[in-house]
Amino acid sequence: AQSVTQPDIHITVSEGASLELRCNYSYGATPYLFWYVQSPGQGLQLLLKYFSGDTLVQGIKGFEAEFKRSQSSFNLRKPSVHWSDAAEYFCAVGGEYTGTASKLTFGTGTRLQVTL
Amino acid sequence: DGGITQSPKYLFRKEGQNVTLSCEQNLNHDAMYWYRQDPGQGLRLIYYSQIVNDFQKGDIAEGYSVSREKKESFPLTVTSAQKNPTAFYLCASSLYPSGGNEQFFGPGTRLTVL
Repeated sequence: AQSVTQPDIHITVSEGASLELRCNYSYGATPYLFWYVQSPGQGLQLLLKYFSGDTLVQGIKGFEAEFKRSQSSFNLRKPSVHWSDAAEYFCAVGGEYTGTASKLTFGTGTRLQVTL
Repeated sequence: DGGITQSPKYLFRKEGQNVTLSCEQNLNHDAMYWYRQDPGQGLRLIYYSQIVNDFQKGDIAEGYSVSREKKESFPLTVTSAQKNPTAFYLCASSLYPSGGNEQFFGPGTRLTVL
């Protein structure tokens, strides 16, 4: 069964500092990987996704993520965090359609706090 | 603008009552999904639908029911059989029913059982 682990429940960084949020996945084939962001009381917004090809993926709001198959990881990074980046971040894994709808499996999320 | 709407934003229910959460999309997506979100547990899939008049149970379907009579609509009913219904409910859609397709999310409905 597919699964996602986000080992950090809560991270605090200073504004302007770099950020890395960890994500490890388990999937039996080539995964499709996603990072979503959620502001309090809101829905989720897609930051970036990996399907194939270049293992370094660029997303919105200056975020990037690197797919490392050997480590089963898809960590999210940002070189300089802004106060508006404070939110909850979810990593998700899914797969190809095989006749029945395959689903996304989400991690439990990492809450990012940004100090000024 | 295309998107997903959920209503109401806040919903209060007395124990023993059924309640229906609305989800509408104008993205012309085939697949729709309902998730439940609780603090510290991420998103858990309740039901999903690949196409009109078809739906499947997700990981936590007990105490919930859905219908998909129109492509753009996927209402969720929280029945009195759901033991702990207080949660944040998110509806999503994707172009095709594949885990490789990006899911677009609505703004959510917060349900509180009094």
